[in-house]
Amino acid sequence: AQSVTQLGSHVSVSEGALVLLRCNYSSSVPPYLFWYVQYPNQGLQLLLKYTSAATLVKGINDFEAEFKKSETSFHLTKPSAHMSDAAEYFCAVSNQAGTALIFGKGTTLSVSS
Amino acid sequence: EAQVTQNPRYLITVTGKKLTVTCSQNMNHEYMSWYRQDPGLGLRQIYYSMNVEVTDKGDVPEGYKVSRKEKRNFPLILESPSPNQTSLYFCASSLSWGKTGGGYTFGSGTRLTVV
Repeated sequence: AQSVTQLGSHVSVSEGALVLLRCNYSSSVPPYLFWYVQYPNQGLQLLLKYTSAATLVKGINDFEAEFKKSETSFHLTKPSAHMSDAAEYFCAVSNQAGTALIFGKGTTLSVSS
Repeated sequence: EAQVTQNPRYLITVTGKKLTVTCSQNMNHEYMSWYRQDPGLGLRQIYYSMNVEVTDKGDVPEGYKVSRKEKRNFPLILESPSPNQTSLYFCASSLSWGKTGGGYTFGSGTRLTVV
């Protein structure tokens, strides 16, 4: 069965620093992978998705993620953090039937000035 | 504006009093789903629907019902709410089910408290 593990429930960075949020997946078939962001009191917004095309996926707000099959990873990065990036981030994988997204437990990103 | 609309945003109710959380989308999406979000657990799927009159259980369906009589609406029904159903609920929709249907559009959420 598919599953997702997000390493680190809380990540803190300084404004301008590199953002790295880690996600490892488990899947018996080629996965479809997603990153979502949730700002306070809002729903989830799709940042980017991997659907077996390019392994380096670019998303909104300068976020990107790289699919590494050998490491079963899909880490999210951003070169330079902004205060407005403070939010909760969720990694998700599509289940085999394509009827659900299976979410990780989330990583809260804090950005300090 | 393309969106998923949930109502109400906040709800406090008492144990055993039936309630319905509504969800409507204006994108002509086939697929709709309900998730609940709990601290430390992430989001878990309650029910989903692949089209009108086609619904199925997700990972945590106990205590919930759904219906899909029209394509745009997918209400979540709690016939006898209990305190362990206190949670943040999200409705989501997608153009179609299946892997290419990923990239769901989420509603803004309904925070439910059962006392």
